[in-house]
Amino acid sequence: QKEVEQNSGPLSVPEGAIASLNCTYSDRVSQSFFWYRQYSGKSPELIMSIYSNGDKEDGRFTAQLNKASQYVSLLIRDSQPSDSATYLCAVRGALWSSGSARQLTFGSGTQLTVLP
Amino acid sequence: KAGVTQTPRYLIKTRGQQVTLSCSPISGHRSVSWYQQTPGQGLQFLFEYFSETQRNKGNFPGRFSGRQFSNSRSEMNVSTLELGDSALYLCASSLEVVPYNEQFFGPGTRLTVL
Repeated sequence: QKEVEQNSGPLSVPEGAIASLNCTYSDRVSQSFFWYRQYSGKSPELIMSIYSNGDKEDGRFTAQLNKASQYVSLLIRDSQPSDSATYLCAVRGALWSSGSARQLTFGSGTQLTVLP
Repeated sequence: KAGVTQTPRYLIKTRGQQVTLSCSPISGHRSVSWYQQTPGQGLQFLFEYFSETQRNKGNFPGRFSGRQFSNSRSEMNVSTLELGDSALYLCASSLEVVPYNEQFFGPGTRLTVL
């Protein structure tokens, strides 16, 4: 059974600081890694996807992937109060895989609060 | 491009009833997945459809079923509702073009079972 682990938090950072969110996964053959942001009462919104080892930057967001350590992280630079939300890490196997390997498996989420 | 749409947005039912939820994927997306989200269990996978075929099913009882139509629209059905079925039901669609397989979520249907 594929597992995705996240620190549940809550994580509080001051406005303007860097927020660091971490995620580990159990299935070594996982191919695709995603970060979703979910505001209270809303549906998850995809903010980053990463497929290769290393860093991927998009605006204030940087996703980092280390497949050898089975670790993926999300850094939010210059955090804003509007970044306060639950951040969900999700992992998926290759499109050609079958069964539970190909389904998107979510961690339980990390609740982030950015203090003004 | 319009996003994923789900109807209805809110639903109140009583135990023993059945319910049908609808999902229209992003135009061009042929894969639709359904999830249940509750405060205690988080986001749990229900099933995935591609080209009208169920490709994957999560660990839910047979009361939960779904289907996909030729236009990629999907429905899920829950029969004999139980109090524990109260949840946010989310539909997500994806393009399924290697290697990009991001899933995009609709707004969800919040089901309350009384």
